[in-house]
Amino acid sequence: KAGVTQTPRYLIKTRGQQVTLSCSPISGHRSVSWYQQTPGQGLQFLFEYFSETQRNKGNFPGRFSGRQFSNSRSEMNVSTLELGDSALYLCASGQELGNTEAFFGQGTRLTVV
Amino acid sequence: GNSVTQMEGPVTLSEEAFLTINCTYTATGYPSLFWYVQYPGEGLQLLLKATKADDKGSNKGFEATYRKETTSFHLEKGSVQVSDSAVYFCALSDSQAGTALIFGKGTTLSVSS
Repeated sequence: KAGVTQTPRYLIKTRGQQVTLSCSPISGHRSVSWYQQTPGQGLQFLFEYFSETQRNKGNFPGRFSGRQFSNSRSEMNVSTLELGDSALYLCASGQELGNTEAFFGQGTRLTVV
Repeated sequence: GNSVTQMEGPVTLSEEAFLTINCTYTATGYPSLFWYVQYPGEGLQLLLKATKADDKGSNKGFEATYRKETTSFHLEKGSVQVSDSAVYFCALSDSQAGTALIFGKGTTLSVSS
């Protein structure tokens, strides 16, 4: 069974640009969550999607958005990038809502210059 | 709100030493508790979990017991190996409320031969 796939693995963007990250969950999983990992703040929850609907949202500005498609694949978008958005973005998939057992991808390392 | 506190690292041990990483939590409901491990350049892997009080999660020689009376979920291993060097995260999820995973700051473990 394939694991959670995140693309791309690495990205370098310039301040003010926007970026889209992609996550393909494990086959059969309907929940996809996104987390931001930084050395200073640790792992912070961004949002969770289940059956194409955002079910939970963390405390991030509106520049961070996401969506989920009918095949459960998810994308997150960050607009008007800031230097502080540099982080490892992790996607997790689960069979049910609420991350009772979440499986993580390897992450996308975003660097904003 | 819910939160997780884990001991500050780094923890440096010699091979075959005993490991304890402390984790305490604050939760309003009845959370599930998890330990995740992150190897360099990788995403998070679920190490073990416990879903109710007095449950013991175990995997690969690691153990943790869900202690409701002390709100703790300490990670232990009797004999660490160099390959156990990684960052360990304690996390909780309130599955009844359908909330996302809340992580501790992580504890870096370094094992030398």
